[in-house]
Amino acid sequence: EAEVAQSPRYKITEKSQAVAFWCDPISGHATLYWYRQILGQGPELLVQFQDESVVDDSQLPKDRFSAERLKGVDSTLKIQPAELGDSAMYLCASSPSLPWTGSYEQYFGPGTRLTVT
Amino acid sequence: AQRVTQPEKLLSVFKGAPVELKCNYSYSGSPELFWYVQYSRQRLQLLLRHISRESIKGFTADLNKGETSFHLKKPFAQEEDSAMYYCALAPQGNKLTFGGGTRVLVKP
Repeated sequence: EAEVAQSPRYKITEKSQAVAFWCDPISGHATLYWYRQILGQGPELLVQFQDESVVDDSQLPKDRFSAERLKGVDSTLKIQPAELGDSAMYLCASSPSLPWTGSYEQYFGPGTRLTVT
Repeated sequence: AQRVTQPEKLLSVFKGAPVELKCNYSYSGSPELFWYVQYSRQRLQLLLRHISRESIKGFTADLNKGETSFHLKKPFAQEEDSAMYYCALAPQGNKLTFGGGTRVLVKP
């Protein structure tokens, strides 16, 4: 069964360093999402891609976070510089999508747990 | 702006007892509502969505637009139901807004 892949699974970095996470969605899924989940809270959407285009990055802290999906397949989320408050689980999800109405099941990856020291 | 509230952080029930997880939302339009579940050491996955009106693993959820609620219920809890449950709302374009989650512990 196809699954969303993420790497690394765990990352420890010092504050002010750069860090990057990678996500490979389920083949054929046009929509890709990055979420941040702080301990004890639900996931919060950071950015949503439709193919290679960003359709929603309203909650992405753009001064330090960037995301790309250059060929409309896999995606990278970067933080530079990392801050202590960025410690969280970073989840990637994908879903098939159609240009008309409806919301579709999102398939989640295992996440990358980031610890900033 | 939309918001999802799950008032209980932890629900502890005995096996065979009923369980109800509360979910309240705020949204001015007609939302799509979901319950996602995360079992221990597994990834977050969809449990059910209101539009399909299904019963999954014995769970049901009814959308009450008057009370803006989407509570999840199961008449007889099983130990394998122990997990983290998240209510989520999607007003448009697949953008999910999650609640804070409820941990369910089913004791033998």
